[in-house]
Amino acid sequence: DAKTTQPTSMDCAEGRAANLPCNHSTISGNEYVYWYRQIHSQGPQYIIHGLKNNETNEMASLIITEDRKSSTLILPHATLRDTAVYYCIVQGYGQNFVFGPGTRLSVLP
Amino acid sequence: DTEVTQTPKHLVMGMTNKKSLKCEQHMGHRAMYWYKQKAKKPPELMFVYSYEKLSINESVPSRFSPECPNSSLLNLHLHALQPEDSALYLCASSQGSGLERNEQFFGPGTRLTVL
Repeated sequence: DAKTTQPTSMDCAEGRAANLPCNHSTISGNEYVYWYRQIHSQGPQYIIHGLKNNETNEMASLIITEDRKSSTLILPHATLRDTAVYYCIVQGYGQNFVFGPGTRLSVLP
Repeated sequence: DTEVTQTPKHLVMGMTNKKSLKCEQHMGHRAMYWYKQKAKKPPELMFVYSYEKLSINESVPSRFSPECPNSSLLNLHLHALQPEDSALYLCASSQGSGLERNEQFFGPGTRLTVL
């Protein structure tokens, strides 16, 4: 079973920041948090990952709470092309990726 | 080259046919994966190859037969499939052994329809 829970769906206005939450309250110390997204009928696309520090790359920022029990993916200026299903995955050593249902983000014009 | 390629993009087959799905990566990754994704569901892991050896088989029926001819190629041989096997089949690769915490890179998938 997936170790994460996410909202089923969210809307965001184009040009605004999209903040996608993920709960991983049972995460252990050596498990990373990964974010992927899947645009309709395409393969999942890697976005970002982190252990305990906040991370930023050209696509997004990842904010992990101090207790590591939850995280937020931030798309700073959402565009229509960011409409997708966003998956939050927790993975430790020797573990497979287990995808949960994800959050369906709709960016609205 | 940071791409995982999959062929064919679409495949329609009858229940008595034998076909193969192909996946290729040239990133020097040593772990490769097959996932199955039904409509409106998340991807589910089927097989993991680590250094060209099958390391994980998630209780997949024998009508699906994976093969890893070399570190860049991964095949999925299909035989006597059922209509419920219709799905998007995704290939992915990652650095390391597949046990380590490395991001996976996914191909675009093969859309399989079994009639």
